Amino acid sequence: AQSVTQLDSQVPVFEEAPVELRCNYSSSVSVYLFWYVQYPNQGLQLLLKYLSGSTLVESINGFEAEFNKSQTSFHLRKPSVHISDTAEYFCVLQGQGGSEKLVFGKGTKLTVNP
Amino acid sequence: GAGVSQTPSNKVTEKGKYVELRCDPISGHTALYWYRQSLGQGPEFLIYFQGTGAADDSGLPNDRFFAVRPEGSVSTLKIQRTERGDSAVYLCASSTGAQETQYFGPGTRLLVL
Repeated sequence: AQSVTQLDSQVPVFEEAPVELRCNYSSSVSVYLFWYVQYPNQGLQLLLKYLSGSTLVESINGFEAEFNKSQTSFHLRKPSVHISDTAEYFCVLQGQGGSEKLVFGKGTKLTVNP
Repeated sequence: GAGVSQTPSNKVTEKGKYVELRCDPISGHTALYWYRQSLGQGPEFLIYFQGTGAADDSGLPNDRFFAVRPEGSVSTLKIQRTERGDSAVYLCASSTGAQETQYFGPGTRLLVL
């Protein structure tokens, strides 16, 4: 069985502060890893993904995540957040080699306060 | 271009009724997925279509749930004898093929009274 654990359901931070959203996963097969984001009143959007190669992946709006196989983690970080980063963030895995389903964590609600 | 669209955006029904939820994938996307998101949870996989056929329906919770994609484009999720526990947001996603990025629609919020 595969599972994703997001350790914090809510993370409040002040604008321009750094943030880390934690994600751990469990899988008996190799995985692809993703972070999806859901802004208020919008649908899910892909933020970034790890498929292979460099373990550090970045998004266009300054987020980054590092795949750590030994710790089975894929934490999401940003050095300085903006009000507009307020959203719900989902850590997601997909098994390699034929499995199409995405397995989601429960989500972390990031609230950036002025 | 147009993204994944889902209709209706909201559906209120009574326990025991039948409902249909529609998904229009991105044009040209051969793969289509249905997920269900209950309150406070992440989305959970229901079914995956490659073309017209259901390649993986392992996430359908029971035989009250059924989905079709007769022409390999639009898909309909059908729920018979709805129960209050079926209340959730039903999400549809599409992709260009196997193991490609899945693009999600806005969802249909189903409320069973």
